[in-house]
Amino acid sequence: DGGITQSPKYLFRKEGQNVTLSCEQNLNHDAMYWYRQDPGQGLRLIYYSQIVNDFQKGDIAEGYSVSREKKESFPLTVTSAQKNPTAFYLCASTLRGFQPQHFGDGTRLSIL
Amino acid sequence: AQKVTQAQTEISVVEKEDVTLDCVYETRDTTYYLFWYKQPPSGELVFLIRRNSFDEQNEISGRYSWNFQKSTSSFNFTITASQVVDSAVYFCALSEAARAGGTSYGKLTFGQGTILTVHP
Repeated sequence: DGGITQSPKYLFRKEGQNVTLSCEQNLNHDAMYWYRQDPGQGLRLIYYSQIVNDFQKGDIAEGYSVSREKKESFPLTVTSAQKNPTAFYLCASTLRGFQPQHFGDGTRLSIL
Repeated sequence: AQKVTQAQTEISVVEKEDVTLDCVYETRDTTYYLFWYKQPPSGELVFLIRRNSFDEQNEISGRYSWNFQKSTSSFNFTITASQVVDSAVYFCALSEAARAGGTSYGKLTFGQGTILTVHP
């Protein structure tokens, strides 16, 4: 079945540690996105990428980094510079702009 | 800047009641798309509908219907005869404008979401 796989489902970070969230899609979509969701708030865009080896900052990119070495993969690293990383992270993809985005099941990140 | 407002933070209804979720948006673009997504307790967002700015026809899909009014910048969502399975968080979202050449990165601006609880 085609879809987006995010792993792990739950992740805990220690102070000063970088952690990486995985996002893989087998939909052959060009564009991929990372969103952060906090309680009572909508989704906020962290980073997005339309093609391999190219990505742009979203609205809240500080403290995060990404890579897009393969079309199907768009991992997100939450660095130690992100002082408030506790949130629900959602990855999405779409064939091209204006098409509906498909979402993964999300990763819930907490601080130990 | 684009903005989407879902003024209803939480709505609680009893099964079989009709319920309308409001969405008001702001944009200076003439071409844009509006979306509704459903987020069940499992967490993933499920696409419900996309509407472009040139199509103001209302749409009905089973118990779901959408009312798009450019004059009031609103894109409201109605569930008729609600069911317990409709309990979820519902998001309205607005796409970015097309860049030169008609392409788009597909960036979405989301509303804060409305938590709908349907009681048996």
